[in-house]
Amino acid sequence: GAVVSQHPSWVICKSGTSVKIECRSLDFQATTMFWYRQFPKQSLMLMATSNEGSKATYEQGVEKDKFLINHASLTLSTLTVTSAHPEDSSFYICSARDGFGLAVSGELFFGEGSRLTVL
Amino acid sequence: GENVEQHPSTLSVQEGDSAVIKCTYSDSASNYFPWYKQELGKGPQLIIDIRSNVGEKKDQRIAVTLNKTAKHFSLHITETQPEDSAVYFCAARKLSSNTGKLIFGQGTTLQVKP
Repeated sequence: GAVVSQHPSWVICKSGTSVKIECRSLDFQATTMFWYRQFPKQSLMLMATSNEGSKATYEQGVEKDKFLINHASLTLSTLTVTSAHPEDSSFYICSARDGFGLAVSGELFFGEGSRLTVL
Repeated sequence: GENVEQHPSTLSVQEGDSAVIKCTYSDSASNYFPWYKQELGKGPQLIIDIRSNVGEKKDQRIAVTLNKTAKHFSLHITETQPEDSAVYFCAARKLSSNTGKLIFGQGTTLQVKP
């Protein structure tokens, strides 16, 4: 099946710094990518929908200036957590939809997640 | 917006027994229902999915049923094995929507005891 790669898989940073997480579709072109956040023992909460070449669409309650999303190419979306604080510590997961090949199937492919710990 | 409710939150079964996890969705326009298995520290993996034009789908020990009228869908795992232990999530989505937003249930922690 299609592969979505996330990097880094884990990161520890100091409070106040910014952290960038990359999400790449390795063998397909993703016109749309989604960013989720997952706290321990909880479900995945959709943060934003990232569309290639246009601005991301954020879910209610998600700060746009805090979580910067860029989807500059059909295979790469990035999430930057700006001025990170301990409450931003979480598991961030991206998923991607094949914009051309598997669009009809509906399947979304998930990355392995990135664990962020803010000290 | 769409809301997906999942039950139970935890489920413990003996190896070899069956496990059933149930979900309900609120948006009658949803027409795609995938199930994901998530192991500790990893991203979710699709294990089976069903579209609204069918009522049941099977893949070896895993099956999913859908009742569109009641807006219920269920995951059935037969002959459970210890390696089936994980967190399972149901989800719902409108395929006709270009954004393809996927809404997840709360998750079920399945423990299969040897």
